[in-house]
Order: sequence, then structure tokens, then C-alpha cells
Amino acid sequence: ETGVTQTPRHLVMGMTNKKSLKCEQHLGHNAMYWYKQSAKKPLELMFVYSLEERVENNSVPSRFSPECPNSSHLFLHLHTLQPEDSALYLCASSQDSQGDQPQHFGDGTRLSIL
Amino acid sequence: AQTVTQSQPEMSVQEAETVTLSCTYDTSESDYYLFWYKQPPSRQMILVIRQEAYKQQNATENRFSVNFQKAAKSFSLKISDSQLGDAAMYFCAYTSNSGYALNFGKGTSLLVTP
Repeated sequence: ETGVTQTPRHLVMGMTNKKSLKCEQHLGHNAMYWYKQSAKKPLELMFVYSLEERVENNSVPSRFSPECPNSSHLFLHLHTLQPEDSALYLCASSQDSQGDQPQHFGDGTRLSIL
Repeated sequence: AQTVTQSQPEMSVQEAETVTLSCTYDTSESDYYLFWYKQPPSRQMILVIRQEAYKQQNATENRFSVNFQKAAKSFSLKISDSQLGDAAMYFCAYTSNSGYALNFGKGTSLLVTP
């Protein structure tokens, strides 16, 4: 059983839709992350939150909007996405945002943009 | 910028045999951490093993061990007594002590044959 839960598992949406990805961690961690995993490319870090404060925004287009209402929940709000945004979106958490802390991942949301 | 290179897109090993997955990285930092993650078809990224750069001793976790060569910036993963359940994508990752972003390689797909 994973300590990091992501919903939905699959999402198909049109380019004009608005949807949100949800991540919840049950590990008591203080840092949470969004990654994008595209085929044939390394995982790309999108956002980092530490104690509900965004500490990194890795040049991500504004059509992706993160929200961290508390240390256990992380959302990724999607709006007017492009076909190249189709990918697996992975959420992760760690005890804190220091580099020595291993990150625990969810199962991801497979996003397909029509 | 730190980069992680996995030169083997695919590897194959017979059950009960040993296989080594290669990883090299580029950094100017002296204090950092290296990880191997496994991603089976279920998609969840699972931590396999972790190495602190300041430790000379190679990390070991049951059948998994690393060969960490700091001067050569090499961090290979050895899987002994391979099992069918080891089949997965394996990702090498780097993070500096001062940062929080995991920098991933492109991954190596490991096939385990009976």
C-alpha cells in the first residue's frame, strides 16, 4: 500500500477543459513534489512545496497551477493544455526538502490531451 | 547543471543471474546523494538504494548493491540472484546536499527471463 495516493489514475481531457490532479500523502512528510514523466525523457521536476510554501517553480507554463493547502495535500490545476502535455504526472513527498531525504512516489496520473 | 546518464536503454538477465546497470553523472558539488529507483509496470517509483557521496563504503540492500566510484562519477547498480519481479525500469538519480530536486537519468529497462 502506497503512502502517497494520486487521483485520478487516468484522465482524458480536451484542450479547453479545466481539471485538477490530486495527491495525498499519509507519511507525515513536510515536502511535496510534482514531476512530469514523458516517454523517452528523464523525469522533469515541476514544483516543490516545503511546509506548504512553494520553493521551486521549474519554468513550468502557467497552464499548470499548483496548490498546497496543507502538508498532506497537493493539487495540480490544469487549464488549456496542449497535446505535448500528455504524460504521466507523478507526485512525491519527503520528510523535508533537503537533498538527503528519499522521496516517496505515488502511482501517477496518466494524462491524455485530445 | 547536474546531468545523469544511463547509457543502457535496455538490459536482459536470466533468472538467478547477476546484472549490472550503469550510471554516470556530472557535478561540481562535493556533497551529494545518489539513488536508484525502480518503476515496475504498476508505475509507482520505488526507492531501491541510496548512497551518500561522503561515504566510501558502497551501499547494499539485500540483493542490490552499488559500485560508487566518486572520482569517475560512476554509480552502477548490481542486482544479484535476479528474480522475475525485478523486471522494471530502473532510474538513477542525483541530488545535491543543498538542493531538493532529484535529477533523473532516462532509465534502463530490465527484462528478466526464466
